[in-house]
Amino acid sequence: GAGVSQSPRYKVAKRGQDVALRCDPISGHVSLFWYQQALGQGPEFLTYFQNEAQLDKSGLPSDRFFAERPEGSVSTLKIQRTQQEDSAVYLCASSWMNTDTQYFGPGTRLTVL
Amino acid sequence: GENVEQHPSTLSVQEGDSAVIKCTYSDSASNYFPWYKQELGKRPQLIIDIRSNVGEKKDQRIAVTLNKTAKHFSLHITETQPEDSAVYFCAASYTGGFKTIFGAGTRLFVKA
Repeated sequence: GAGVSQSPRYKVAKRGQDVALRCDPISGHVSLFWYQQALGQGPEFLTYFQNEAQLDKSGLPSDRFFAERPEGSVSTLKIQRTQQEDSAVYLCASSWMNTDTQYFGPGTRLTVL
Repeated sequence: GENVEQHPSTLSVQEGDSAVIKCTYSDSASNYFPWYKQELGKRPQLIIDIRSNVGEKKDQRIAVTLNKTAKHFSLHITETQPEDSAVYFCAASYTGGFKTIFGAGTRLFVKA
């Protein structure tokens, strides 16, 4: 079956623009995670969904970041008024439960100019 | 807050030698410890994981050990091969919590 997919793979935004990043998890996976990975660093937790419920958003760096998973499958991470420090790779991962193997998508590389 | 420290940040070994990467975690509630391998430009992929009810797990050339008292766990790769060259990340999480905390990564170079 298909793995986790993300789109777009690359996004260039001008400072101040809004962006939306999409994640298609593995079908049937209950848990969905978003991470931010800066160059040369480990993935940093942003938020966690169990089905459609956002159970942890403690990693979102500011109120400019918003995530949703309205039907418990596809998820969207939205960043409003992008800033240069938002430049990173945004990874999505899904799993059966939160303490289980996470399957990562290829990531979206966001560059804010 | 929760933290996972990983050492070393870079490791260079000769083909055939062993490699050891160590991590310590701060949250004593952590009970699930996965290791991920990330090749350049690729997505992280799980290579092995361990839960807190066991002290060691092995899969061919890869093994992980866990010391709950000291709150540290280690990845051991034996008979390293050039294709083992990648960045390795440890992580920690716990049942009932939702956050997975990753280490900063170890860049492993295996010289042929």
